[in-house]
Amino acid sequence: KNQVEQSPQSLIILEGKNCTLQCNYTVSPFSNLRWYKQDTGRGPVSLTIMTFSENTKSNGRYTATLDADTKQSSLHITASQLSDSASYICVVSDQTGANNLFFGTGTRLTVIP
Amino acid sequence: NAGVMQNPRHLVRRRGQEARLRCSPMKGHSHVYWYRQLPEEGLKFMVYLQKENIIDESGMPKERFSAEFPKEGPSILRIQQVVRGDSAAYFCASSPPRRGSGTGELFFGEGSRLTVL
Repeated sequence: KNQVEQSPQSLIILEGKNCTLQCNYTVSPFSNLRWYKQDTGRGPVSLTIMTFSENTKSNGRYTATLDADTKQSSLHITASQLSDSASYICVVSDQTGANNLFFGTGTRLTVIP
Repeated sequence: NAGVMQNPRHLVRRRGQEARLRCSPMKGHSHVYWYRQLPEEGLKFMVYLQKENIIDESGMPKERFSAEFPKEGPSILRIQQVVRGDSAAYFCASSPPRRGSGTGELFFGEGSRLTVL
């Protein structure tokens, strides 16, 4: 069964600290993995998209890693800011069917001053 | 270049009424997806449409819910005889025509929040 699991479910960190969010998936065959940021009351916004051959991809203070062998991805946030408070959603795409996106339930990050 | 536009942003309906949610995809995008998000939960796929065609509606309830994406105009998600359990945020996403396998990059709208009294 194709699934995407994220951990932790929620996380509270101090401003300026780093954190890492995890995503494990069982989706096969794998096409790509995306991380989205969803601010409260807003639509998700894409942070990164990674294909099978990519191990690391950065977008400013956000760095995503992908291990296609273990089917794990992480999103590392450096020097967190208050504006990083949001839900971070991992989405995995397979190569079959018309709707081939599998969503994780997200990690709710709260950055406190 | 406007992003995905959804309206209304907020909609209040009484039980038994109809709700219509509209989505205009980004310019050049021919694929539209609708998702539902309950409070404190993840996005759940409802339906995937291309112009004038429903490609996949496996996530949409068989009764009371329908979706369309006409040749001209926005995509519409229609909920008839709404019940309290329909209260949720409904997000639309669009993507350009796909090249090769896999789904193209998804761009989300800001969502329409339906409250059923």
